[in-house]
Amino acid sequence: QQQVKQSPQSLIVQKGGISIINCAYENTAFDYFPWYQQFPGKGPALLIAIRPDVSEKKEGRFTISFNKSAKQFSLHIMDSQPGDSATYFCAASSNSGGSNYKLTFGKGTLLTVNP
Amino acid sequence: DGGITQSPKYLFRKEGQNVTLSCEQNLNHDAMYWYRQDPGQGLRLIYYSQIVNDFQKGDIAEGYSVSREKKESFPLTVTSAQKNPTAFYLCASTPRGGHIQYFGAGTRLSVL
Repeated sequence: QQQVKQSPQSLIVQKGGISIINCAYENTAFDYFPWYQQFPGKGPALLIAIRPDVSEKKEGRFTISFNKSAKQFSLHIMDSQPGDSATYFCAASSNSGGSNYKLTFGKGTLLTVNP
Repeated sequence: DGGITQSPKYLFRKEGQNVTLSCEQNLNHDAMYWYRQDPGQGLRLIYYSQIVNDFQKGDIAEGYSVSREKKESFPLTVTSAQKNPTAFYLCASTPRGGHIQYFGAGTRLSVL
């Protein structure tokens, strides 16, 4: 059972355009929603994250929109640049027992920004 | 420099062979995780450990084993029972009570 569904699988955007990646979740116990960026041959790195009591968070060109009632959240990349070309993963965090948490990842979106 | 070090970067396994992937962190993080990444499949959790000498199975633990004898180290062994081991393996860690996982650069395992 896939607990975090991510779409689209791939996305091609022109330089300067807006990239939008969507995720949906089922488990209402999730309480933290990070986005990771991964370049080829590298490990994922945290891009931006949001808690469910906030509807939107913006950091530079990157914005997360969160809809708790619909159990959906999305990443918007404004003024997309060729350097943004990477794979993006949404994730959701839940308590794994004790004081630590587990992340459940979406399957990823390969973003290509054409110059 | 603080961080997570995975080695080797590339590894080749012969049929029937066990291989061990190294993961070391100097971030003083309590929890450590191993993921497997296949194209189009995202990151799937193999094993995780919240404290020394304790670890739990993730979603795809069959054919893998781990140990956590030191806080800094969480090696993953890919056993001969894992029939499809070719993948990119990622190690991550997180501080006590933290949501954010920090990843190493990965090890790419291939079968000869």
